[in-house]
Amino acid sequence: DAMVIQNPRYQVTQFGKPVTLSCSQTLNHNVMYWYQQKSSQAPKLLFHYYDKDFNNEADTPDNFQSRRPNTSFCFLDIRSPGLGDAAMYLCATSRDLGGGGGNQPQHFGDGTRLSIL
Amino acid sequence: RKEVEQDPGPFNVPEGATVAFNCTYSNSASQSFFWYRQDCRKEPKLLMSVYSSGNEDGRFTAQLNRASQYISLLIRDSKLSDSATYLCVVNMRGSQGNLIFGKGTKLSVKP
Repeated sequence: DAMVIQNPRYQVTQFGKPVTLSCSQTLNHNVMYWYQQKSSQAPKLLFHYYDKDFNNEADTPDNFQSRRPNTSFCFLDIRSPGLGDAAMYLCATSRDLGGGGGNQPQHFGDGTRLSIL
Repeated sequence: RKEVEQDPGPFNVPEGATVAFNCTYSNSASQSFFWYRQDCRKEPKLLMSVYSSGNEDGRFTAQLNRASQYISLLIRDSKLSDSATYLCVVNMRGSQGNLIFGKGTKLSVKP
């Protein structure tokens, strides 16, 4: 059974038209992450939530926002998508943050592939 | 120097071959290490964590060398289904749990 679920798998939107990507988890993990991955590149962390605490990466454009209304759901909002935002968007979860010690692998959803017309 | 570096490959090997990938990381404060596997146009999936003493999972062996700051992955008896990109992933101490991904090493196993 899928534990990190992303919807939709494929999203097409128009240049400048707001779009929301969805992620849900059945793992009851504290941390949820959003990554952007372009072809032949490593996943790039956009931001993460530890419970309700939001942590934005310094180089994440203001165009990208996130919401986590409850433990299970997290949304990625792209306010005005540009052509350069076409990518695979990956949601991941981990039980806890790993910086304090111990292995904390992340579990990824299938991703949403975003195309911009 | 990039935070996590891998040879992008591709490594083209015949079925049954043994293949090894290395990965170097720049931050000596790195604390946790993983190998993820990513199939074309799919999400990364955890292959194995890497422990200081080295660890093995079936045909896969991972090793960590903290002094030289590198991690290795050895695949024995390669299968066609092992064809994928292998991502080296590092977690920094105090980094809020952020994983640093390498760009991956592409492996293609041929019949």
